[in-house]
Amino acid sequence: AQSVTQPDIHITVSEGASLELRCNYSYGATPYLFWYVQSPGQGLQLLLKYFSGDTLVQGIKGFEAEFKRSQSSFNLRKPSVHWSDAAEYFCAVGRNTGGFKTIFGAGTRLFVKA
Amino acid sequence: DTGVSQDPRHKITKRGQNVTFRCDPISEHNRLYWYRQTLGQGPEFLTYFQNEAQLEKSRLLSDRFSAERPKGSFSTLEIQRTEQGDSAMYLCASRGVSFDEQYFGPGTRLTVT
Repeated sequence: AQSVTQPDIHITVSEGASLELRCNYSYGATPYLFWYVQSPGQGLQLLLKYFSGDTLVQGIKGFEAEFKRSQSSFNLRKPSVHWSDAAEYFCAVGRNTGGFKTIFGAGTRLFVKA
Repeated sequence: DTGVSQDPRHKITKRGQNVTFRCDPISEHNRLYWYRQTLGQGPEFLTYFQNEAQLEKSRLLSDRFSAERPKGSFSTLEIQRTEQGDSAMYLCASRGVSFDEQYFGPGTRLTVT
């Protein structure tokens, strides 16, 4: 069965510091992988996605993620965090059959300190 | 704004009452999804429509839940005889014909007292 694990419930980083959010997935075929961000009271916004090809994916707001098949990981990174990045981040895996149901991780809450 | 819209944004109801939520997808999107998100968790898939056909339902969708998309455009999600455990954010998303990501609405927050 598909599953997504985000090991860190919350992370605190200083503004300007680098960020890495971890994501591990379980999927029996080539995964379609996503990172979403959710600010309080807002819907989910897609940061980036991986379907195939280059394993380093660039997204919006300066985020990138690297797909590592051998480690079943899709970690999200940002070289310099801004206070506005404080939000909840969700990693997700999509199934490429039956309507593309998406399975989400439990999320990582990012706190940014000045 | 041509994004996914949901109505209402907030709903407070008493246990045992019925509630109905509406989702209007992006107009050219033929696929529509409902998810439920409880506090501290990621969204959980509930059901999926392609046009007006409901093609998949999660085991989370008990008999008290029903979803429709009668004309292949907007969708409704009804919960009958609400329970406190139904308190959650209900998210709707839509997707176009060619493969693309799902676009999410702002959600409807349900509180059952």
